Amino acid sequence: AQSVTQLGSHVSVSEGALVLLRCNYSSSVPPYLFWYVQYPNQGLQLLLKYTTGATLVKGINGFEAEFKKSETSFHLTKPSAHMSDAAEYFCAVSEGTGGGADGLTFGKGTHLIIQP
Amino acid sequence: NAGVTQTPKFQVLKTGQSMTLQCAQDMNHEYMSWYRQDPGMGLRLIHYSVGAGITDQGEVPNGYNVSRSTTEDFPLRLLSAAPSQTSVYFCASSYGGVIGNSPLHFGNGTRLTVT
Repeated sequence: AQSVTQLGSHVSVSEGALVLLRCNYSSSVPPYLFWYVQYPNQGLQLLLKYTTGATLVKGINGFEAEFKKSETSFHLTKPSAHMSDAAEYFCAVSEGTGGGADGLTFGKGTHLIIQP
Repeated sequence: NAGVTQTPKFQVLKTGQSMTLQCAQDMNHEYMSWYRQDPGMGLRLIHYSVGAGITDQGEVPNGYNVSRSTTEDFPLRLLSAAPSQTSVYFCASSYGGVIGNSPLHFGNGTRLTVT
């Protein structure tokens, strides 16, 4: 069964500093990996995804993530934090076995706090 | 562009009451699903559907029923509400059946409180 671990339920960084949100996964097959962002009182929005091909994936709002198979990791980074980045971030994994039967398995989320 | 629409946005129920959370999408997506979000738990899959007339259970299906009579609608029914069902519920849809090729589109959620 697939699973996701997000290290740190809360991460605080200063505006302009590097953002690093950690995600490790387990999967019995090559996974599909996702990062979603949730702003207060809203649903989740896709930031970026990895399916196949290039292991460094660029997403919206300047975020990127690198798939490292040997480390079973998919950490999310942004070189310079902005106040508008404050939100809840979820890493998710799918084994994509077809038919959407497995859905997505989500991590428990990391609340990103931006200090002025 | 409505996307995924959930109603109501807020609901308070008493223990034992029943209700239906509505979800509609206008993107002609085959796959629809319901998640619940609880503090410190992330999102957990309740039920999902890969097309009209087809539904299946997710990780936490107990206490919930679903049906999919049309492509557009995927209501979630609570037959006898319990305080443990206090949560934020999200409906999500995607094109086709393979999650990897088509990300989920989420509604804005229904915040349910059971007293």
